[in-house]
Amino acid sequence: SAVISQKPSRDICQRGTSLTIQCQVDSQVTMMFWYRQQPGQSLTLIATANQGSEATYESGFVIDKFPISRPNLTFSTLTVSNMSPEDSSIYLCSGIAGGKNIQYFGAGTRLSVL
Amino acid sequence: DAKTTQPNSMESNEEEPVHLPCNHSTISGTDYIHWYRQLPSQGPEYVIHGLTSNVNNRMASLAIAEDRKSSTLILHRATLRDAAVYYCILRGYGGATNKLIFGTGTLLAVQP
Repeated sequence: SAVISQKPSRDICQRGTSLTIQCQVDSQVTMMFWYRQQPGQSLTLIATANQGSEATYESGFVIDKFPISRPNLTFSTLTVSNMSPEDSSIYLCSGIAGGKNIQYFGAGTRLSVL
Repeated sequence: DAKTTQPNSMESNEEEPVHLPCNHSTISGTDYIHWYRQLPSQGPEYVIHGLTSNVNNRMASLAIAEDRKSSTLILHRATLRDAAVYYCILRGYGGATNKLIFGTGTLLAVQP
């Protein structure tokens, strides 16, 4: 199994600023992902965080808005850039660990943009 | 991505079995059927997955139709803690297909 920790757990930010969310896994994961969950909605995949190379973004998400880093097998960051109130969501980090292709999730970062 | 269809909501009584259905008529031969659930204010957690045969673990059972176009997640004795949104997701294995794409899921309410 894997335990995924995210920091911060929540934040309130001003419009136009940026926030970097950190994701730390307690064991090596083969793949890492970032999701967004808007209030009352399901999860939407933002991107796959690739170790040592550019992330792979899903349709509707771009690197300029959501730059992602993954310097090693246990750590990744997601930055939400130039925030607007529409970016108010829960952002979740996830990783695949172990030989059974199970995906583990962090508790999420609850972001409010004023 | 192959799509799944689930009821929006279901209700159960505590300590009774719950059968959560999922239709996936466009499933491909290499798609695994995964179930995750999301408890209130938490990230999703893995429940069970399978390819063709029925599967059992300590949390639940997964019954897969012979043609693989539908499946059922079975909670043998629902508890209040099982109240959550349950997601049925088809997932490839390896490469770009190895990612979870969430649908709307089934909101399960458990009554005492």
